[in-house]
Amino acid sequence: QKEVEQDPGPLSVPEGAIVSLNCTYSNSAFQYFMWYRQYSRKGPELLMYTYSSGNKEDGRFTAQVDKSSKYISLFIRDSQPSDSATYLCAMSFMEYGNKLVFGAGTILRVKS
Amino acid sequence: KAGVTQTPRYLIKTRGQQVTLSCSPISGHRSVSWYQQTPGQGLQFLFEYFSETQRNKGNFPGRFSGRQFSNSRSEMNVSTLELGDSALYLCASSPGQGIATNEKLFFGSGTQLSVL
Repeated sequence: QKEVEQDPGPLSVPEGAIVSLNCTYSNSAFQYFMWYRQYSRKGPELLMYTYSSGNKEDGRFTAQVDKSSKYISLFIRDSQPSDSATYLCAMSFMEYGNKLVFGAGTILRVKS
Repeated sequence: KAGVTQTPRYLIKTRGQQVTLSCSPISGHRSVSWYQQTPGQGLQFLFEYFSETQRNKGNFPGRFSGRQFSNSRSEMNVSTLELGDSALYLCASSPGQGIATNEKLFFGSGTQLSVL
């Protein structure tokens, strides 16, 4: 079993829809949770960073962490065609330092 | 400020050869991490260097090695290439205090290695 599970999709939605992306994990030590966006032929770009449980909002993006369920989510409101990309969840904990454990990534397509 | 620069962008090698990839971090960043990205395994951590010392290591065979120079630039080397080494190799830099301090990792665009 992988430490981090993420549905690879693809997920196809119409422009303006609310998108929900999710990851589950098995290692209860994880404390730091991130979402990255990766466009084709580019490196991942950090979207959201959350420490421990709770919600964090940044513009159209909201990240949620539920440590009791070992489940994290990223919501995208008013999705745009420019949001079409692969979304990767990543997590780590103090002893791992800068070593991140990534999910497989979900391919998102927003149709105009 | 220039981003993370990786060279070369594309590389084609044959089995048994060795390869060296280069990464120039963002100016002032002292930590450089390397990741391998494949369709089957996704992004996997290779190793991290900080102030010329390997600070962390992933679960890859000894054929994968790296180093960091005094100017924080880093190289990774793969010896005796295998077909399964075909992947996108990504370098990420950060100031160096670690994720625990809300530090961001900035990724380069990667080197696409094809082993024939």
